[in-house]
Amino acid sequence: AQSVTQLDSQVPVFEEAPVELRCNYSSSVSVYLFWYVQYPNQGLQLLLKYLSGSTLVKGINGFEAEFNKSQTSFHLRKPSVHISDTAEYFCAVSASNTGNQFYFGTGTSLTVIP
Amino acid sequence: DGGITQSPKYLFRKEGQNVTLSCEQNLNHDAMYWYRQDPGQGLRLIYYSQIVNDFQKGDIAEGYSVSREKKESFPLTVTSAQKNPTAFYLCASRSLDSGANVLTFGAGSRLTVL
Repeated sequence: AQSVTQLDSQVPVFEEAPVELRCNYSSSVSVYLFWYVQYPNQGLQLLLKYLSGSTLVKGINGFEAEFNKSQTSFHLRKPSVHISDTAEYFCAVSASNTGNQFYFGTGTSLTVIP
Repeated sequence: DGGITQSPKYLFRKEGQNVTLSCEQNLNHDAMYWYRQDPGQGLRLIYYSQIVNDFQKGDIAEGYSVSREKKESFPLTVTSAQKNPTAFYLCASRSLDSGANVLTFGAGSRLTVL
């Protein structure tokens, strides 16, 4: 089975400051990587995905992530956060050698401070 | 608009009672999933189904049951055998076409056992 590690359970950041949320996964021959966002008492919404091609992926709400195969990482970044970015963020991985099942990290709670 | 509908949004249950959570999708997706979410533990897979009348256990299936009589519907029953059922339950679906490897989520159902 795959494993996904989100080292930071909570990340506080001031409004308009940059932020990076870290995600590492166990190695695999071929992986698909995702970031989802969850607002309180709601389901998960897809922020961005890496399936193939360019390692720099741009998503909604100004977020982007970079796939680094050698470091097995897929960190999420935003150059300037807004109050509305306060939410829980989940990294997920899907791999062909595990039947394309999805494996989720434990989440990072981002709090934007005004 | 296409999407996934979960009901009820909030549910209270007495100990010893079974309860069924509804999940309906109009995305024409082949596969459907049930996840359980607890604070600090991310998402854990309960059951999944890739085709009508067939389903497989996930990582934490004990105390739960499902059925897949129609492609659009994948209800989850939380039985009295589930020792700690209070949690947020998320239903998801995806197409099994190659290149369409993205999970779409419903808004969730919060179950509280009194």
